[in-house]
Amino acid sequence: GQSLEQPSEVTAVEGAIVQINCTYQTSGFYGLSWYQQHDGGAPTFLSYNGLDGLEETGRFSSFLSRSDSYGYLLLQELQMKDSASYFCAVRSSTNAGKSTFGDGTTLTVKP
Amino acid sequence: KAGVTQTPRYLIKTRGQQVTLSCSPISGHRSVSWYQQTPGQGLQFLFEYFSETQRNKGNFPGRFSGRQFSNSRSEMNVSTLELGDSALYLCASAGDSSYNEQFFGPGTRLTVL
Repeated sequence: GQSLEQPSEVTAVEGAIVQINCTYQTSGFYGLSWYQQHDGGAPTFLSYNGLDGLEETGRFSSFLSRSDSYGYLLLQELQMKDSASYFCAVRSSTNAGKSTFGDGTTLTVKP
Repeated sequence: KAGVTQTPRYLIKTRGQQVTLSCSPISGHRSVSWYQQTPGQGLQFLFEYFSETQRNKGNFPGRFSGRQFSNSRSEMNVSTLELGDSALYLCASAGDSSYNEQFFGPGTRLTVL
C-alpha cells in the first residue's frame, strides 16, 4: 500500500520561502502530485513530478527523489493568498492507479 | 470547458437514511474518483471509476457504493447513514493523457443528524 507523511502545520511571513516536505512509503507509484486547498474550497492541482528532479511553475517548485522516498513543494515570495492546505498525492502503479493523499499541511502566511 | 460539477452542494439527512450524490466530470474525462474529507483530515479515497467500471476502491464499508454511466457521469450512494458519515464528498476527474492531474468538483457537504 501507500502512505504519505507531511508536517501538519507550517507558518511563514509574507515574502519568505517555505518548503513543505512529503515522505512516502509505497510499493510503486507513477509520480508525486501536489494540490492546494483553500478553506471551504476544492483542491486544485499545482504540480506533478513523474521523474526525479525539480519542476518549476512560477513561484511554486516541486521536487522528487525516488531513491530517498521524498519530495517537497517550494513556495517562493509568499503571499497572503498562499495561506491554504497543501496535499501531496500518488497514484499506485501496482494497484490499478489507486490514489492516496497525505493528510495535508496547513500553511499560514503572516504579514 | 466546463469544470467538474457536483450535485447537490449541501444535504442534511438523518441516521439510517440513504443518500445519492452526483458528479459530472470534465468533458472527455473517463476517470472519476470519489473522496471523503472530514475536518482536519486529508482526502480519503473511496473509489475510482473508468469507462463504467470500478477500477479500484479504498477501505470503506460496503454501505458506500458507486457507479458510472456511459457519459462518464458518476453517482455514489451511501446507505444506512451514520453520524460519522458527515463529511465533504469530493469527486475528481482525470483525462487519459494527464491521469496524475485530477480536477476536483466543489464537493457535496453531507450532514447526518
